Amino acid sequence: QSALTQPASVSGSPGQSITISCTGTSSDIGAYNSVSWYQQHPGKAPKLMIYDVANRPSGVSNRFSGSKSGNTASLTISGLQAEDEADYFCSSYTNMNTAIFGGGTRLTVL
Amino acid sequence: QVQLQESGPGLVKPSETLSLTCAVSGYSISSGPYWGWIRQSPGKGLEWIGSVSPSGTADYNPSLKSRVTMSVDTSKNHFSLTLNSVTAADTAVYYCARRTSGSYSDYWGQGILVTVSS
Repeated sequence: QSALTQPASVSGSPGQSITISCTGTSSDIGAYNSVSWYQQHPGKAPKLMIYDVANRPSGVSNRFSGSKSGNTASLTISGLQAEDEADYFCSSYTNMNTAIFGGGTRLTVL
Repeated sequence: QVQLQESGPGLVKPSETLSLTCAVSGYSISSGPYWGWIRQSPGKGLEWIGSVSPSGTADYNPSLKSRVTMSVDTSKNHFSLTLNSVTAADTAVYYCARRTSGSYSDYWGQGILVTVSS
């Protein structure tokens, strides 16, 4: 199974919105509504930000939202803040009862 | 509050076996649903290694399946990872996590760096 495809980097200014894409196949993203997104700051463990495509865990800001169309999922962060600068990883359930991650996207807040 | 903590040797010799344990507190490991391991090579992305249910049923990353074993010890409220025949490519930070039935991981350990070197 190949990793999900994410852009290596995105950037935005404070207050702006950015979107990170995550492309898979009909065996993972396209087949299940089991896409999740994680935020990782340097030296820290990943933190769950979005699950089941568009749901936010308790305590996660509503500035974070998720969606999916076909084999591609997206994470949108609105009202960018300096603390949002981090690496973001998508993940999906697969038809082999496994999970797969994207390569990660580094978000820079200008 | 569910907390997970990895433990094990930080240095393993090539061709030997990597063994890690994840202690779970604040939650009964028997309640599952699944317990998993994810690793991250230096400067790289996340790689799902596999997960195991409280009953011991496991699913593994196909690329690692031949070398991986996961198990659960409900009496000690911890679960374990064994990776055989390690090489330098297995050098990574290893995270343990609770995996839900929806396949996302909602609680993570802090991670443990394992270096494979002679």
